[in-house]
Amino acid sequence: GAGVSQSPRYKVAKRGQDVALRCDPISGHVSLFWYQQALGQGPEFLTYFQNEAQLDKSGLPSDRFFAERPEGSVSTLKIQRTQQEDSAVYLCASSLGPLVRANNEQFFGPGTRLTVL
Amino acid sequence: DAKTTQPPSMDCAEGRAANLPCNHSTISGNEYVYWYRQIHSQGPQYIIHGLKNNETNEMASLIITEDRKSSTLILPHATLRDTAVYYCIGCYNQGGKLIFGQGTELSVKP
Repeated sequence: GAGVSQSPRYKVAKRGQDVALRCDPISGHVSLFWYQQALGQGPEFLTYFQNEAQLDKSGLPSDRFFAERPEGSVSTLKIQRTQQEDSAVYLCASSLGPLVRANNEQFFGPGTRLTVL
Repeated sequence: DAKTTQPPSMDCAEGRAANLPCNHSTISGNEYVYWYRQIHSQGPQYIIHGLKNNETNEMASLIITEDRKSSTLILPHATLRDTAVYYCIGCYNQGGKLIFGQGTELSVKP
């Protein structure tokens, strides 16, 4: 595809359920980011991958959040034992080069809207 | 990353220039000013970025003051499709994580 895709687009979970959100970055993009966007707020950084290596996970709000990118392409964000405060849009972005490359604009997917009841 | 301050909302008439201001008084010498926008129910979209000099591309122009404490994003001929939240972000140009603020909600009206 031409852009970043995410699935599912919408997810409703009961409190306590585990969820898995998928991101397909642009082919060949080295860097992959996850962001969380609460209603009415700007996106907040969660974690960053360079290829398969998770180089920054400083934004993950708790140990219930886990992300992986095992083959350096598709990434999955997993949330265990979901809570109501996890309700948000989860955005994935990719960029061509590694962090040290200049002019590294990020291309965002449409996001997954997670609602925890 | 530099903290940025933007007005929460602005209106603009269709066909007129939209000038969106941003204050970034704490920006460091090697931090770039990035602009992204987010149309409702979509992911953010890159617009433009700059360091010291003014920049222009097919979407917009970016005017950065000489002291680099503020900048203005200019959409020369706003259309209804430019209605979105516009984010000004100070970022080291290592392609790193973006620190979004609240942004400016621009409403372009007919």
